[in-house]
Amino acid sequence: EVQLLESGGGLVQPGGSLRLSCTASGFTFNSYSMSWVRQAPGKGLEWVSLISGGGSRTYSADSVKGRFTISRDNSKNTLYLQMNNVRAEDTAIHYCARMLRGVITGSAFDIRGQGTMVTVSS
Amino acid sequence: EIVMTQSPATLSVSAGERVTLSCRASQSVSNDLAWYQQKPGQAPRLLIYGASTRATGIPARFSGSGSGTEFTLTISSLQSEDFAVYYCQQYNNWPPWTFGQGTKVEVK
Repeated sequence: EVQLLESGGGLVQPGGSLRLSCTASGFTFNSYSMSWVRQAPGKGLEWVSLISGGGSRTYSADSVKGRFTISRDNSKNTLYLQMNNVRAEDTAIHYCARMLRGVITGSAFDIRGQGTMVTVSS
Repeated sequence: EIVMTQSPATLSVSAGERVTLSCRASQSVSNDLAWYQQKPGQAPRLLIYGASTRATGIPARFSGSGSGTEFTLTISSLQSEDFAVYYCQQYNNWPPWTFGQGTKVEVK
């Protein structure tokens, strides 16, 4: 069974840093591109960042570019999101998702975890 | 960036009714269109991908159609567990991958 377990969320002050993790099981992790998708309280879904299976290609939304870094450790079946210089508007549940087909092109998001909440407040 | 627009924002329906949700893309996304269901307090769940292919375990009462810029999600006979928010999402032209703002299906 495919499982994705997010962790690392919490309360952080504006301008601070946080690292989210997503531990995967039930599939060949290094064969799948992975993404972070977030949802602000009471709002819709927003794609944040994506990384290819081998880690060589990354993409980020303009709203987080230069502040957030996506990475992965395939030896640990773990996806990361390093969040620096966070802002109030980064307050959201952050979900990790695998790309359904494994590759980036032509893949929907397969969201399996319950997400981890990040709250940015002083 | 491709903008996804869903209508209506809210749909008030009764169990057993047929429900049709719409999603429009600002430019063609071919059939690279997914639908997600999100119940309160839960993560989104993939329902449909490729505009019309049901994801694993999704009941046959859910169907998707359309291509290009106009898409529809149909629930043939709404069950009590189907009251939720539904999102469409394009994955044809990226980055960014973009979602619609959602349609809430609520009890009439």
